[in-house]
Amino acid sequence: DGGITQSPKYLFRKEGQNVTLSCEQNLNHDAMYWYRQDPGQGLRLIYYSQIVNDFQKGDIAEGYSVSREKKESFPLTVTSAQKNPTAFYLCASQGLARTDTQYFGPGTRLTVL
Amino acid sequence: EDKVVQSPLSLVVHEGDTVTLNCSYEVTNFRSLLWYKQEKKAPTFLFMLTSSGIEKKSGRLSSILDKKELFSILNITATQTGDSAVYLCAVSPGGSSNTGKLIFGQGTTLQVKP
Repeated sequence: DGGITQSPKYLFRKEGQNVTLSCEQNLNHDAMYWYRQDPGQGLRLIYYSQIVNDFQKGDIAEGYSVSREKKESFPLTVTSAQKNPTAFYLCASQGLARTDTQYFGPGTRLTVL
Repeated sequence: EDKVVQSPLSLVVHEGDTVTLNCSYEVTNFRSLLWYKQEKKAPTFLFMLTSSGIEKKSGRLSSILDKKELFSILNITATQTGDSAVYLCAVSPGGSSNTGKLIFGQGTTLQVKP
């Protein structure tokens, strides 16, 4: 099946711990994106990458880090510096043609206790 | 600052009703406007609009863009309980630095009661 997978679906962590969220796609898409969704606030862009080994900060990058070592993978690390990490995290990808249609993964719900 | 505003934020209707969801935007170098439906998990793509006045239609859903008034609407006729979801509007800014980024509105939560 072609698509975007995110794991895990639910994640619980203690305050002060770093945690890494996985995002993998087999759509051969060049661009990948990480969003955070909070109730009543829509989606906010954390980081994005248009090509392997390159990525840019989005609107709310503080307390997060990413890597793009492979085209298929774009993991997001939520560090202890992120003040309010409990949220729903969505990964998306987009093809080279820049048709503007981003395809989303199923999301990871992170709860920091 | 680029922004997208949706209204209403939430809406409760009964099956068979027709609903209209609104999306207004302020962006530099507008390229396209997209609508997504989100049912608990991944948003799924509904429409992409680039030209004013041309209605896009898919079954009971339709959408139109007004680039002069910086506005789009999403209509759902004869609503069903399966239409209950969060509807997201997003705008893609264009220009030479276009990166494919999307700017999302807050979403409209639609609940359709039987």
